[in-house]
Amino acid sequence: ETGVTQTPRHLVMGMTNKKSLKCEQHLGHNAMYWYKQSAKKPLELMFVYNFKEQTENNSVPSRFSPECPNSSHLFLHLHTLQPEDSALYLCASSQGLSEFLSGANVLTFGAGSRLTVL
Amino acid sequence: GNSVTQMEGPVTLSEEAFLTINCTYTATGYPSLFWYVQYPGEGLQLLLKATKADDKGSNKGFEATYRKETTSFHLEKGSVQVSDSAVYFCALSDRNFNKFYFGSGTKLNVKP
Repeated sequence: ETGVTQTPRHLVMGMTNKKSLKCEQHLGHNAMYWYKQSAKKPLELMFVYNFKEQTENNSVPSRFSPECPNSSHLFLHLHTLQPEDSALYLCASSQGLSEFLSGANVLTFGAGSRLTVL
Repeated sequence: GNSVTQMEGPVTLSEEAFLTINCTYTATGYPSLFWYVQYPGEGLQLLLKATKADDKGSNKGFEATYRKETTSFHLEKGSVQVSDSAVYFCALSDRNFNKFYFGSGTKLNVKP
């Protein structure tokens, strides 16, 4: 399998549930990202990991908990979410952050996990 | 700071019409510029990119030229198809801050 794979594609959960989103990349990239895409809002960067180390937390509420066990896998653990957290959650990967200097860094996205919080 | 501004949609065109989606940017350094496309129910896909001034990115009949003097990266296509209906995002990457910045997206509807 190639590219960036996200599971599940669709998730419905209650506000008291605990669930996780999974992302896996087969591109040999070293940086991984979580974005939130809500209707009629710009794409929101949530977290960035570079070589498994978190380098960005964009003031995300603690009910979202990321985990990056290695450069190929990224999780987003969800608990006690609110209805306004319903959105499309996109995972992306890129070459390591040092590649930004060359200008050649490109984001590759997964298909997203559509989350609905009841 | 860095930001990307693109024209609001939706843009509705007839098949074979000429397409322009405007994108302007503000950047502190020398960014790379991108256009991404999102088809219904899918994630964003890279459409084309340009890494320095005067570069032209092209793919699938789409083109965009990196204009430093006007800080623009407008997307064009000579003849759109119904299958081009999607949301198009302009983006830049900042070499100083190791970040990507996205515009708000422009929805394109192409009618037969």
